[in-house]
Amino acid sequence: AQTVTQSQPEMSVQEAETVTLSCTYDTSESDYYLFWYKQPPSRQMILVIRQEAYKQQNATENRFSVNFQKAAKSFSLKISDSQLGDAAMYFCAYRRGNSGYALNFGKGTSLLVTP
Amino acid sequence: ETGVTQTPRHLVMGMTNKKSLKCEQHLGHNAMYWYKQSAKKPLELMFVYSLEERVENNSVPSRFSPECPNSSHLFLHLHTLQPEDSALYLCASSQARDSYGYTFGSGTRLTVV
Repeated sequence: AQTVTQSQPEMSVQEAETVTLSCTYDTSESDYYLFWYKQPPSRQMILVIRQEAYKQQNATENRFSVNFQKAAKSFSLKISDSQLGDAAMYFCAYRRGNSGYALNFGKGTSLLVTP
Repeated sequence: ETGVTQTPRHLVMGMTNKKSLKCEQHLGHNAMYWYKQSAKKPLELMFVYSLEERVENNSVPSRFSPECPNSSHLFLHLHTLQPEDSALYLCASSQARDSYGYTFGSGTRLTVV
């Protein structure tokens, strides 16, 4: 079974600063996808960014970027120029490629953004 | 409009009650999912329906019974629940085997008393 580990239960960042959230995963598969989801107090999980394992280039979406280290099985999320609206729970998730359906999630990191 | 709508938003039920959670998606997806989110735990996949057929069931107790009458609707029927079943129940949808992840609803906060 694939496991996803987020070792930081809580993180704090000052507005306009940069913060990095950590995620590691365990798999024997070579084809898979990785995701970061954001869950604000409204409870809806929102896709922030995704990465295909076969791509070496790190994904970026505006202020959000990842550092994907396949050999180390690490997938960290960097948030630049943090905004108050970035405060939320952030979940790292893994999904097998090919026949896989299920998203496997980590326990999440609570991000606090201070003015 | 999120594309995936869950009702009710909150539900309090006794252990002997029977209730149902509803999920509806308007995205043209053909796969739907139920997840359970408890405090301090990773999201747990409960059920997967693809093309209205259940394709994955992670050994969920029989007091939870899913139903998928068509590709747009998904239900979770609840009966004789336990207090430890109190959690946020999230519905999601996707194109089956699509690599773009899921679209989630806002969940039903269930409290069993």
